[in-house]
Amino acid sequence: QSVLTQPPSASETPGQRVTISCSGSSSNIRNNYVYWYQQLPGTAPKLLIYRTNERPSGVPDRFSGSKSGTSASLAISGLRSEDEGDYYCAAWDDRQSAVLLGGGTRLTVL
Amino acid sequence: EVQLLESGGGSVQPGGSLRLSCAASGFSFSSYVMTWVRQAPGKGLEWVSGISGSGTITYYADSVKGRFTISRDNSKNTLYLQMNSLGAEDTAIYYCAKGEGGSYAYWDYWGPGTLVSASS
Repeated sequence: QSVLTQPPSASETPGQRVTISCSGSSSNIRNNYVYWYQQLPGTAPKLLIYRTNERPSGVPDRFSGSKSGTSASLAISGLRSEDEGDYYCAAWDDRQSAVLLGGGTRLTVL
Repeated sequence: EVQLLESGGGSVQPGGSLRLSCAASGFSFSSYVMTWVRQAPGKGLEWVSGISGSGTITYYADSVKGRFTISRDNSKNTLYLQMNSLGAEDTAIYYCAKGEGGSYAYWDYWGPGTLVSASS
């Protein structure tokens, strides 16, 4: 089963903005919503972005999601040290009738 | 308050079986898709399986198809994962997650996870 493609790592200094990409295909990202999950060290994952660009209550507006064609992005502005962790994208795949997850991006706040 | 609590993890020899449970509370269990996601030590998340609210529709990752069975008992607000023919590649923390909006990829609540170790 194929997966969505994310860069393995990203880093930026506090206060700056970072973008994490998620690349897929027409059967998943282009045709369906994208979801983003945050996993802080030693904890269970947490929903960060739903339906491509919506934030659950309690998630700061520093986090935003977008999509263009077969790629999606998560942007984090005003970086803080507590944002350090792993970020995953997910989407339903129509062709495989399965959920695809990205390999995860480890964010380091320098 | 939504709560999910997995149980049933442990150590098993390769080729063995385990059944995981996920006890749910704080929401109308039968109305929601439920999912199992796993994470091997030091690795990323991997979707394992999803099941509709009624239990009539199920989906599996290719890596577990034919070996794992997802089910639910809506009278007990409990989700299950029967795992057979376990191999070292199945060693992972297994999380159950509540679905939202009828989507199999939209997980708004997660349990703390239960560790499965398949090793001789």
